Amino acid sequence: AQKITQTQPGMFVQEKEAVTLDCTYDTSDPSYGLFWYKQPSSGEMIFLIYQGSYDQQNATEGRYSLNFQKARKSANLVISASQLGDSAMYFCAMKGPGNNRLAFGKGNQVVVIP
Amino acid sequence: DVKVTQSSRYLVKRTGEKVFLECVQDMDHENMFWYRQDPGLGLRLIYFSYDVKMKEKGDIPEGYSVSREKKERFSLILESASTNQTSMYLCASSPWTGQGTNTEAFFGQGTRLTVV
Repeated sequence: AQKITQTQPGMFVQEKEAVTLDCTYDTSDPSYGLFWYKQPSSGEMIFLIYQGSYDQQNATEGRYSLNFQKARKSANLVISASQLGDSAMYFCAMKGPGNNRLAFGKGNQVVVIP
Repeated sequence: DVKVTQSSRYLVKRTGEKVFLECVQDMDHENMFWYRQDPGLGLRLIYFSYDVKMKEKGDIPEGYSVSREKKERFSLILESASTNQTSMYLCASSPWTGQGTNTEAFFGQGTRLTVV
């Protein structure tokens, strides 16, 4: 069974600073995908970034990067140069091969302050 | 523009009522999902479907059923609504990727259900 753990309490971040959101996972599958989603107060789920278990390099998408440490089973999201619009809940998710089931963690709340 | 549409944004129902939550996607995706979101618990998978008339239980299927008669539509059914089913319900879809893992799910806007 797949398990995602996000345990950080809510975070306050100064505008323009970087923030790291922790995500650890557990799976017995050698092949899996890791995703991060953003959920602002309006409620929609916005896909941010994807990392495959066999990818050699850490994924990056604009100000988002993923610090993937396979041996430690961690996939931390780094948001650089925080903006007020980054205030949201952030969810880590994982998908294994074949079954297409997408499992989510409990989320991290981020508040960016000016 | 890809779209997953949930029939209601807000819904108030009485205890014991049969409740239908509808979800439609226009991306020809094979997979569709129903999640429940509660504060501090994240998104929990109720049911998912990988083809018409096919369904699999997620992590919290008790008290729910689903229907997928057409590829684009996935319905969540609360047979007899109870107050502990008050929650935000999110529908999502994704293409079938076989052994691949690299396609994200697309979400609807959510339905906030209150059972009184």
